[in-house]
Amino acid sequence: QKEVEQDPGPLSVPEGAIVSLNCTYSNSAFQYFMWYRQYSRKGPELLMYTYSSGNKEDGRFTAQVDKSSKYISLFIRDSQPSDSATYLCAMSKAAGNKLTFGGGTRVLVKP
Amino acid sequence: EPEVTQTPSHQVTQMGQEVILRCVPISNHLYFYWYRQILGQKVEFLVSFYNNEISEKSEIFDDQFSVERPDGSNFTLKIRSTKLEDSAMYFCASSELQVERLFFGSGTQLSVL
Repeated sequence: QKEVEQDPGPLSVPEGAIVSLNCTYSNSAFQYFMWYRQYSRKGPELLMYTYSSGNKEDGRFTAQVDKSSKYISLFIRDSQPSDSATYLCAMSKAAGNKLTFGGGTRVLVKP
Repeated sequence: EPEVTQTPSHQVTQMGQEVILRCVPISNHLYFYWYRQILGQKVEFLVSFYNNEISEKSEIFDDQFSVERPDGSNFTLKIRSTKLEDSAMYFCASSELQVERLFFGSGTQLSVL
C-alpha cells in the first residue's frame, strides 16, 4: 500500500463550481497535512496547512482532515480558470520533518 | 513576497559528470531542503539541512549526493557522478521554523544524457 494516495485526475469542472480533492494515507504517524498548488514547470506553492484533525478555511479554500479515516480533503469554492493546476497533498510526522507527497490531481476549470 | 531562487533553470550534462545545483533560500530562514520530481512522478524528499548539518536524508540521497551552505546565502546540491536516472526537476525549499511554512523555488530541470 502506498503511503499517500491521490487520484491523478484530470478533474474538469465548469467555472464557478466547487472543486473537491482528496488524499488517503496509510501511516497514522502523520500529524501535519498540507495542500500545495503546482503550475506547470513551477515549484509547489503552499495553499493550506492543518495540524491533526479538523477543518480550516481560508477564503475560497477549505481543508479537512479526518485522522480516524486517514483521509484529507480540499474544497475550492467558486472555482476560476486560474485555479487550473495540479494540486498536491503532503504530510509529515512532525514540524521540520520531511514532507511525503501524493502524486497530485490535475484540475482544469473551464470558462 | 520573498522567494527562493534557484539557478540554473535548466542543466544538461553527460552521464558521469558532476553537477552543482544552486539555491538562494529566503534570508531569515533556518531550515533548507532539496526535493526532486521525476517526470510524471511524485515530489520526493532528498535531504534537509539545519545548523550547517544534514538533519534528515532519504535512501535516494546516497554517497554521490552532497549539500553545502558555502556562505550565508547559498545552499547547493552536488551530484558527483550523474546517472541517467538522476534526470528530474530538483526543487530547493526553505522554512523559518515550522514545516507548514515551506517555500519552494521554481526548480532546476536536470537532464542527464
